[in-house]
Amino acid sequence: DVKVTQSSRYLVKRTGEKVFLECVQDMDHENMFWYRQDPGLGLRLIYFSYDVKMKEKGDIPEGYSVSREKKERFSLILESASTNQTSMYLCASRSSGTAYGSNQPQHFGDGTRLSIL
Amino acid sequence: GNSVTQMEGPVTLSEEAFLTINCTYTATGYPSLFWYVQYPGEGLQLLLKATKADDKGSNKGFEATYRKETTSFHLEKGSVQVSDSAVYFCALSSASKIIFGSGTRLSIRP
Repeated sequence: DVKVTQSSRYLVKRTGEKVFLECVQDMDHENMFWYRQDPGLGLRLIYFSYDVKMKEKGDIPEGYSVSREKKERFSLILESASTNQTSMYLCASRSSGTAYGSNQPQHFGDGTRLSIL
Repeated sequence: GNSVTQMEGPVTLSEEAFLTINCTYTATGYPSLFWYVQYPGEGLQLLLKATKADDKGSNKGFEATYRKETTSFHLEKGSVQVSDSAVYFCALSSASKIIFGSGTRLSIRP
């Protein structure tokens, strides 16, 4: 079974801090994703990565950056945390499939509930 | 562009009732379709999938059929249990990413 591990289940940080959320997958997947989940707003894509050192902005990248130095690890960085970034953060990975796109499902970690005070 | 619309919740049913959660989609080409389930305090888990028209995905008593003519992928279960209480997400896979519906919260009364 695919395992996607997020480094923390719960995290509390202060406004203005630089925050790192780590995600590791063990199935050699090319694609990795970061989402935030808020009540009434569903899942919103922050950033994704097709492969090592590659990254693409999702729907709400402002205030965030990412790093993919190794294939198994995808980090989300809050450059200067703000209270409106309090949320549940979900990491996912999937196989890239064929050159024309992927019909593969995403596999999710258990999430990090981040509170910014 | 591609999109997914699923019925709004919350949905509350009694144990052993029949469940339907509606999902319709808009897409170019031939996307794959998925249902995910999220139990309290956890991430999303893949429940079932279908990759082409008329495919039926099934798992844990849940079923959904990929209907191209009605652009639908409705989730059904014949007899729900209290343990099925969760949030359910319909999703479609395009070339670069997966698009999720807004989620439907399901609560089952004993």
